[in-house]
Amino acid sequence: KNQVEQSPQSLIILEGKNCTLQCNYTVSPFSNLRWYKQDTGRGPVSLTIMTFSENTKSNGRYTATLDADTKQSSLHITASQLSDSASYICVVSADNDYKLSFGAGTTVTVRA
Amino acid sequence: DADVTQTPRNRITKTGKRIMLECSQTKGHDRMYWYRQDPGLGLRLIYYSFDVKDINKGEISDGYSVSRQAQAKFSLSLESAIPNQTALYFCATSDWGRAETQYFGPGTRLLVL
Repeated sequence: KNQVEQSPQSLIILEGKNCTLQCNYTVSPFSNLRWYKQDTGRGPVSLTIMTFSENTKSNGRYTATLDADTKQSSLHITASQLSDSASYICVVSADNDYKLSFGAGTTVTVRA
Repeated sequence: DADVTQTPRNRITKTGKRIMLECSQTKGHDRMYWYRQDPGLGLRLIYYSFDVKDINKGEISDGYSVSRQAQAKFSLSLESAIPNQTALYFCATSDWGRAETQYFGPGTRLLVL
């Protein structure tokens, strides 16, 4: 069964600090990996998408990395802001399946 | 995302009742999905539809049914609600292509007593 594991489950950081979220997956054959941001009471919104050949993808203060060999991805948030408080979900797509595999998410709380 | 709307946003119902959750989209996408989200778990796919005449079961379809009334409308029904169907339900849409991004609605919070 394709699985996506995220860590940590939650974290608290001070405004202005950086943080890194982790995603490990077993989805095979791999097609692409997305990071979504889900604000409280809202639906997930796509931040980045990476295919097998991409190692890094940035979207403003968000930088995602992918190591397809070790099946790991990370999402780095630089100079965090209060608006970064949300759940961040790692989503992996298999090459032979339209269905997506979702991680449980990492809840980030940014405090002033 | 305002392009994908869900009604109602919140619903409380009793065990055994039939309820319908509705989803509408203005993005012009052919593909639509229904997911449920439970605390500590990833989103799980209930049903998906690639066009008006195409309906497919997801990983947790038992106890649910769907109807694709039009390209823009996809509704989810709980024929006889039970407490473990208490969850946050999301509708999503996407365009064709393997790398398509799914666009999610704001969600419906359902409580079954």
